[in-house]
Amino acid sequence: NAGVTQTPKFQVLKTGQSMTLQCAQDMNHEYMSWYRQDPGMGLRLIHYSVGAGITDQGEVPNGYNVSRSTTEDFPLRLLSAAPSQTSVYFCASRQKVTGNGGEQYFGPGTRLTVT
Amino acid sequence: AQSVTQLDSHVSVSEGTPVLLRCNYSSSYSPSLFWYVQHPNKGLQLLLKYTSAATLVKGINGFEAEFKKSETSFHLTKPSAHMSDAAEYFCVVSVGSGTYKYIFGTGTRLKVLA
Repeated sequence: NAGVTQTPKFQVLKTGQSMTLQCAQDMNHEYMSWYRQDPGMGLRLIHYSVGAGITDQGEVPNGYNVSRSTTEDFPLRLLSAAPSQTSVYFCASRQKVTGNGGEQYFGPGTRLTVT
Repeated sequence: AQSVTQLDSHVSVSEGTPVLLRCNYSSSYSPSLFWYVQHPNKGLQLLLKYTSAATLVKGINGFEAEFKKSETSFHLTKPSAHMSDAAEYFCVVSVGSGTYKYIFGTGTRLKVLA
């Protein structure tokens, strides 16, 4: 299994440009999510999905869109990039389990710089 | 509201000495608790998790953590630090059956001195 994969690894955008960060998992996990990591702030949830066709907002959703057309893929779209979106982005997935116990599996991250 | 606090942003230890990384949580429900490690420029890897079974949880690479409900703590320990343990460590709480809320601490950067 490749686990959770993310592309690209690095990206530089100019303010106002749009782009899509790709995320795929081959573990047949129902739950997927996007986080951003900023220094001193841990990881913050942007959007998440509990299955194909179902998405919802997390803690910091503004400026981002998601869709989930298949179980495997969960792309994150930046509509109009801003310097405040400079961050490291992580995709994660987990199985649907009863209760809280599900371990999340993380991708290697995408380092995005907006100038 | 649920929250998690990592009490130290940086910890330095000498190689071969014990490691203690502190985590307190706040939750109205029975939580699941996790510790993840992130090596420089890498993704997050699960070290261990507590899900209401044994309160002393053993993880990978010699790490363990003890869930103390009375103290609302889940501190991470290792008897003897190794240079390869230098990384950032995140305490995470998951609460709410059926919901998808994983709350991350702000991280503790562990430095291991030769």
